[in-house]
Amino acid sequence: GAVVSQHPSRVICKSGTSVKIECRSLDFQATTMFWYRQFPKQSLMLMATSNEGSKATYEQGVEKDKFLINHASLTLSTLTVTSAHPEDSSFYICSATRDPMAETQYFGPGTRLLLL
Amino acid sequence: QKEVEQNSGPLSVPEGAIASLNCTYSDRGSQSFFWYRQYSGKSPELIMFIYSNGDKEDGRFTAQLNKASQYVSLLIRDSQPSDSATYLCAVTHQGGKLIFGQGTELSVKP
Repeated sequence: GAVVSQHPSRVICKSGTSVKIECRSLDFQATTMFWYRQFPKQSLMLMATSNEGSKATYEQGVEKDKFLINHASLTLSTLTVTSAHPEDSSFYICSATRDPMAETQYFGPGTRLLLL
Repeated sequence: QKEVEQNSGPLSVPEGAIASLNCTYSDRGSQSFFWYRQYSGKSPELIMFIYSNGDKEDGRFTAQLNKASQYVSLLIRDSQPSDSATYLCAVTHQGGKLIFGQGTELSVKP
């Protein structure tokens, strides 16, 4: 299999809070993980590419100081939304590839973030 | 021009019919093409991938790729109400990144 988990599945918090989302590959080692954001009725937009042991590569327009990504091990990447505000409310989804040459991405179940 | 384009739909087909979903892409250098299914409120799940021109069949699903026309499609035979979802076409870009289309909403009516 290729199972990816995310935690938490849903977060509701006050504006200004920092929120950490975990993405884990459960039955394989993921050298590369990806973080996406999806607004209602829109497609997935890639935020950043995360490689184990190195700095994440952010897409144009994504603030790296606001969306902190850490890929500390081959099975875990974290996304921290710092000082989150209502406009950051979205569905955050991670994915992982099984080996460095693979292109198929396996998606986690997503984290729905709601800022009040 | 968007890099990956899909008709947003909704596409409505009766149960048992063939659903045809289409996707065009702009980058001629793209090598790999994916179809994902996304149910409302859920994350995408991989249905099929295709690398070579022609057809690739997997059960009720057939992916078709025409690189000369920069066109990829997904056919769903014997459509079931449980196939009702948004279908996302994705194309690999430089560095192995996936670029997604906006998705086509499919509704299969019993």
